Amino acid sequence: GAVVSQHPSWVICKSGTSVKIECRSLDFQATTMFWYRQFPKQSLMLMATSNEGSKATYEQGVEKDKFLINHASLTLSTLTVTSAHPEDSSFYICSARVHGNRANEQFFGPGTRLTVL
Amino acid sequence: KQEVTQIPAALSVPEGENLVLNCSFTDSAIYNLQWFRQDPGKGLTSLLLIQSSQREQTSGRLNASLDKSSGRSTLYIAASQPGDSATYLCAVREETSGSRLTFGEGTQLTVNP
Repeated sequence: GAVVSQHPSWVICKSGTSVKIECRSLDFQATTMFWYRQFPKQSLMLMATSNEGSKATYEQGVEKDKFLINHASLTLSTLTVTSAHPEDSSFYICSARVHGNRANEQFFGPGTRLTVL
Repeated sequence: KQEVTQIPAALSVPEGENLVLNCSFTDSAIYNLQWFRQDPGKGLTSLLLIQSSQREQTSGRLNASLDKSSGRSTLYIAASQPGDSATYLCAVREETSGSRLTFGEGTQLTVNP
């Protein structure tokens, strides 16, 4: 149980285009989803926390107008990278916290590799 | 601000060895600590979660300990196998700050056959 999927698994786009990444909790309801980015050989950096039905909370230094997050249901959150540039190339990972789980354990998706040319 | 440090950054061992990975954190006000495994180009797989009130958790060949007061955790891997080769990440969940996870930079483990 507790499977999180992401789509697409990789994407290559031209500079200036927008890219949407989907994150789904497949077999549980997630009131809270998290978006991370990871640069090569570095750890995960939290970008934003999204709660179903409300606006996302962004970490300091993360542009909310550039990284649009929508958490419309208890099983789906999307991250849209608007007007992507080469410096946005990274590995984006989403995570979901199980609704009602006392342990507050987070489960992670397989990641999306974004390459901006 | 919580900081998580993992030592060593990289480790290479022959198959069959027992090994210990270390994690330390600066703020002991944590809710729990989680160990993850990440294979190259992949997402994270949760290995063990230790609540702040617990001292250790075990799963198969893995044993994780937690000393909250000293800000330390260890992940013990018994009888290592080549399939254990991956990056191991430690993360702490703070009691405040929206319960976010703060990650260490990981230990890259290579188990040689």
